[in-house]
Amino acid sequence: NAGVTQTPKFRILKIGQSMTLQCTQDMNHNYMYWYRQDPGMGLKLIYYSVGAGITDKGEVPNGYNVSRSTTEDFPLRLELAAPSQTSVYFCATRGYGPYEQYFGPGTRLTVT
Amino acid sequence: AQTVTQSQPEMSVQEAETVTLSCTYDTSENNYYLFWYKQPPSRQMILVIRQEAYKQQNATENRFSVNFQKAAKSFSLKISDSQLGDTAMYFCAFMKPNAGGTSYGKLTFGQGTILTVHP
Repeated sequence: NAGVTQTPKFRILKIGQSMTLQCTQDMNHNYMYWYRQDPGMGLKLIYYSVGAGITDKGEVPNGYNVSRSTTEDFPLRLELAAPSQTSVYFCATRGYGPYEQYFGPGTRLTVT
Repeated sequence: AQTVTQSQPEMSVQEAETVTLSCTYDTSENNYYLFWYKQPPSRQMILVIRQEAYKQQNATENRFSVNFQKAAKSFSLKISDSQLGDTAMYFCAFMKPNAGGTSYGKLTFGQGTILTVHP
């Protein structure tokens, strides 16, 4: 089992460019989450999904979009990248019951 | 809205000694979960320990234990016999389970405490 995988690991974007951060899980979990972690800070929720076809906004959704067409995949789309989106992005999943979230290794994004 | 506060930006401890990391939180909920996550330099988020609010007994996992004071809304992490591999950023996190809306199982994190274990 790979668990939660994220690609790419690192990316540098120019202001105004767009990109998609990929997240894939093989844990058959319904719940998936995208967080961002700014330097020296805790994680903040961007978007989450409770199952295929169902997504909703978290605390800091502006500038991002998501889709969930399958249980396994939960891509995060950045449109018109801005320097304020420079951060580390984590994808996480959760099953029913114990409530632990399992995190991917993160994507470090720099927008210049 | 829930808030989580970690008042110690940095802590250090000698190898084999004990250290306690503090966490307080604010909520009006009665049922919730609390977690400590470890983030080593590799950046991977690793679950250390979990506490259910309805349980009076403090959770323990090997060298890691918590002191959960529900009335005081305090949730500290004690690391015994500290090891060099414990060097990491530690995050306290709060979860209100399956409440619907934007708090649907989401984690609210504190700002983190950087722990350095010295040989």
